[in-house]
Amino acid sequence: AQSVTQPDIHITVSEGASLELRCNYSYGATPYLFWYVQSPGQGLQLLLKYFSGDTLVQGIKGFEAEFKRSQSSFNLRKPSVHWSDAAEYFCAVGTSGTYKYIFGTGTRLKVLA
Amino acid sequence: ETGVTQSPTHLIKTRGQQVTLRCSSQSGHNTVSWYQQALGQGPQFIFQYYREEENGRGNFPPRFSGLQFPNYSSELNVNALELDDSALYLCASSPGPSEYNEQFFGPGTRLTVL
Repeated sequence: AQSVTQPDIHITVSEGASLELRCNYSYGATPYLFWYVQSPGQGLQLLLKYFSGDTLVQGIKGFEAEFKRSQSSFNLRKPSVHWSDAAEYFCAVGTSGTYKYIFGTGTRLKVLA
Repeated sequence: ETGVTQSPTHLIKTRGQQVTLRCSSQSGHNTVSWYQQALGQGPQFIFQYYREEENGRGNFPPRFSGLQFPNYSSELNVNALELDDSALYLCASSPGPSEYNEQFFGPGTRLTVL
């Protein structure tokens, strides 16, 4: 069965520092991968997605993610974090022929001024 | 262009009651998916509606049901509420049921069951 693991429940970084949020998935074929961000009281906003092709994906707000098939990972990165990036981040996988996303449990990001 | 809207924002019910949550899809979108997000968890897929028909369902009991209307808005109904139904219910719309189509999420309805 497909699954998504986000090993880090909470991460704290200083403003201006780099960020990497980890995501590992379990799926037999090439998955469709997504990163969403959720601010308090808000719905989920798509940061970026990977379907095929270039394994380094650029998204909004300066985020990028790299798909590594050998490691079953799709980690999210940002070179310099801003205070407004404090939120909860969800990795999700969609699979060919289905219509649902499977989400990880999320990583809550705290940014120190 | 109006995004996905949900009503009500918050709702408090007691065990055994029934609840209806509503979702208006984004203009041009004919597909609506519902997710349940329990506290501290990621969203879990409940079901999807495409052109007024249920198009897929997650591991939720039959007391979770839905409707989609001709204007593609949707309702989620939950009967015989249980304490564990307390969660944020998210609606997402997309221009089609394909996995290639981005799902646009509404702000959610926070349901508390006492």
